[in-house]
Amino acid sequence: GAVVSQHPSWVICKSGTSVKIECRSLDFQATTMFWYRQFPKQSLMLMATSNEGSKATYEQGVEKDKFLINHASLTLSTLTVTSAHPEDSSFYICSVPPGLAYNEQFFGPGTRLTVL
Amino acid sequence: DAKTTQPPSMDCAEGRAANLPCNHSTISGNEYVYWYRQIHSQGPQYIIHGLKNNETNEMASLIITEDRKSSTLILPHATLRDTAVYYCIVRPNTGNQFYFGTGTSLTVIP
Repeated sequence: GAVVSQHPSWVICKSGTSVKIECRSLDFQATTMFWYRQFPKQSLMLMATSNEGSKATYEQGVEKDKFLINHASLTLSTLTVTSAHPEDSSFYICSVPPGLAYNEQFFGPGTRLTVL
Repeated sequence: DAKTTQPPSMDCAEGRAANLPCNHSTISGNEYVYWYRQIHSQGPQYIIHGLKNNETNEMASLIITEDRKSSTLILPHATLRDTAVYYCIVRPNTGNQFYFGTGTSLTVIP
């Protein structure tokens, strides 16, 4: 299956700082990537759809100015949590559909963000 | 929004079959049933998917009822490494995102 990497795997930051999380598709080019957030003991919640060459599409209730998404290339999408606060502490996961069929999505290993 | 209902937790003895149910009574004609699992602190892993016929692969079997309102994921010989949260998701086969429900936490007991 396709390999999706995320960097960093975990990060601890101070409140008020910004944190950038990278999602890379290692096997194929992806015009679309998805970002999820998962709080402890909860399910994954879709945050946004990252589109190469255009603006990201955010799910209802997700602040686009808080969570900046940049799909810089066909293999890289970044999520920047701006002015992070303790309530932003979560597990952030990206996923990549392998092709036009969107038959199966491949998920990254996730990034654990802890805001102090 | 998630369109599936799953029991929150289940136990299964090691070596026995694990049968995980999922209700999706509002499923549309063009929507597939997908199963993913998530081992603690990892990204979800694809297991299997189907439209209306039963499906089998090296990991599991998927049984979909004739009216398509429910399905069952079967792990034929559960091992301790199968302990995970299992998510049942319905979505069209092209172009759309995955919306996760609450899933079933499966614990395989030695």
